[in-house]
Amino acid sequence: DVKVTQSSRYLVKRTGEKVFLECVQDMDHENMFWYRQDPGLGLRLIYFSYDVKMKEKGDIPEGYSVSREKKERFSLILESASTNQTSMYLCASSPLLTGTSGWDNEQFFGPGTRLTVL
Amino acid sequence: KNQVEQSPQSLIILEGKNCTLQCNYTVSPFSNLRWYKQDTGRGPVSLTIMTFSENTKSNGRYTATLDADTKQSSLHITASQLSDSASYICVVSGGGKTDSWGKLQFGAGTQVVVTP
Repeated sequence: DVKVTQSSRYLVKRTGEKVFLECVQDMDHENMFWYRQDPGLGLRLIYFSYDVKMKEKGDIPEGYSVSREKKERFSLILESASTNQTSMYLCASSPLLTGTSGWDNEQFFGPGTRLTVL
Repeated sequence: KNQVEQSPQSLIILEGKNCTLQCNYTVSPFSNLRWYKQDTGRGPVSLTIMTFSENTKSNGRYTATLDADTKQSSLHITASQLSDSASYICVVSGGGKTDSWGKLQFGAGTQVVVTP
């Protein structure tokens, strides 16, 4: 089974702190994603990566950065946390299948990190 | 404006009863539509995927339908069980060409509560 793990289930930080959220997948997937999920808004894509050291902005990248130094690990960084970044953060991975659009392939999600910024 | 709208926002059903969730989308061009199930405290898990040419697809007690002409999809749950209590999310992808990226749009989800 595909397994996507996230470093923390719950995290509480203070405004202005630098926050690191880690995600690791064990299926050798090329693609990895970071989403945030808020009530009534659904999942929104922050960043994604289709290869080591490659990254692409999603719909809401402001206030976030990412790092992908190894294929299995994708990190989300909040340079200076703010209260409006309080949310559930979900990491996902998917395989790269040639002959398809990048979004065609099933994404496998981690359990999420509920981040509260005070 | 969200290009994927789901209804109802939430519903409560008795164990053993059937229910139908709706998903309307405006994403164009269309590539595929997935239904995900998200249990409380867990990440979403894919239930079904449907492409333009598919009208119906089943996964156990879950049956998804797609009308690409009217841009509507439904997810029908038959003989509901307590374990069906979850959020069901409709996800539509489109615009991507082979070996490239298009766009992916998520609905806000329908929260289903199955009561004994």
